[in-house]
Amino acid sequence: KQEVTQIPAALSVPEGENLVLNCSFTDSAIYNLQWFRQDPGKGLTSLLLIQSSQREQTSGRLNASLDKSSGRSTLYIAASQPGDSATYLCAVLMDSNYQLIWGAGTKLIIKP
Amino acid sequence: GAGVSQSPRYKVAKRGQDVALRCDPISGHVSLFWYQQALGQGPEFLTYFQNEAQLDKSGLPSDRFFAERPEGSVSTLKIQRTQQEDSAVYLCASSFTGTTAGETQYFGPGTRLLVL
Repeated sequence: KQEVTQIPAALSVPEGENLVLNCSFTDSAIYNLQWFRQDPGKGLTSLLLIQSSQREQTSGRLNASLDKSSGRSTLYIAASQPGDSATYLCAVLMDSNYQLIWGAGTKLIIKP
Repeated sequence: GAGVSQSPRYKVAKRGQDVALRCDPISGHVSLFWYQQALGQGPEFLTYFQNEAQLDKSGLPSDRFFAERPEGSVSTLKIQRTQQEDSAVYLCASSFTGTTAGETQYFGPGTRLLVL
């Protein structure tokens, strides 16, 4: 059974710092991996999607990497801003399936 | 519509009460998903519809949970005889076809259910 783990559970850093969020999964037979942002009362927003054949994806100040064989993904946020404060979740999609399997998230606080 | 909408946004129920949660997916989206998110946890899959057909209900935690999408658009998740452990945020998501693996799911804001 696929298990997705995110470390740390919470992170607080000063504005302007670069930071890395971690996601690990136990079954490497994934179709893709996604990083989502969750703001209180506003649902989930997809940030980056990495197909299993890809190594990384970039969007603005965000860069996500995927090492499928080791079961790891990282989300790198450059030059963090207070507006980046949110909970970040990773989710994997298994081969030939539509069910997303989620980590518990990392709650990020960027201090002005 | 512009996005997935859910109502009510907040619901407080007394234990034993029945509740109904509504999801309006993006217009034209074939697939609809329901997830349950407990406090401090990631979402967990409940059920999946393709048009009006419920193709997977393997995630529904008990027979007190029932979901329907009779006309292939709006969906309702009903919880009978609510228990305190049902307290969670219930998320709805839709996707264009759902038949293409990895297709983006668009999420609504969720309904926060508190059972007292």
